[in-house]
Amino acid sequence: EAEVAQSPRYKITEKSQAVAFWCDPISGHATLYWYRQILGQGPELLVQFQDESVVDDSQLPKDRFSAERLKGVDSTLKIQPAELGDSAMYLCASSLAWTGAGEQYFGPGTRLTVT
Amino acid sequence: GDSVTQMEGPVTLSEEAFLTINCTYTATGYPSLFWYVQYPGEGLQLLLKATKADDKGSNKGFEATYRKETTSFHLEKGSVQVSDSAVYFCALSDLTGRRALTFGSGTRLQVQP
Repeated sequence: EAEVAQSPRYKITEKSQAVAFWCDPISGHATLYWYRQILGQGPELLVQFQDESVVDDSQLPKDRFSAERLKGVDSTLKIQPAELGDSAMYLCASSLAWTGAGEQYFGPGTRLTVT
Repeated sequence: GDSVTQMEGPVTLSEEAFLTINCTYTATGYPSLFWYVQYPGEGLQLLLKATKADDKGSNKGFEATYRKETTSFHLEKGSVQVSDSAVYFCALSDLTGRRALTFGSGTRLQVQP
């Protein structure tokens, strides 16, 4: 069964350092999402891509976060500089574009701890 | 904007007990509704879905019915197992909009043997 891949699974970084997360969606899924999940809460959207284009980044803290999906396949989310409040699970999801019920398939996530 | 409200947990049940987790939503369009499950240290797995009023989603003994008149999508299971212990998230996707999921805050289920 096809899955969304993410790496690393865990990342510990010091405050003010740069950190990057990678996601490879299910083959053929044109829509890719990055969510942030703070402990004890539901995931919240950071950025949504349709192929290589950003559809929605209204909740992305653009002073420190950036995201790209250069060839419309895999994607990288970067934080620079990291802050203590960025400690969270970062989830990547993908879906078929504009078809179906809108269901999304999630990767295992990257748990970030900022010290 | 769209929002999802879930009952707070944790919900603690004995094995074979009946489960209900309440979920209500607010949406301006005609959303699809989902239940996702998250096991410790893992990502979210799609449990079931419903796309229109009166649809019933079901999977692995879990069921939920899309109730437009009460804007609800309550999750039920007739007989829970220890392996059902996890966090359950209700979510919606507005198919007329950007389709990103709006999640509730999650409900932790603990099933004791």
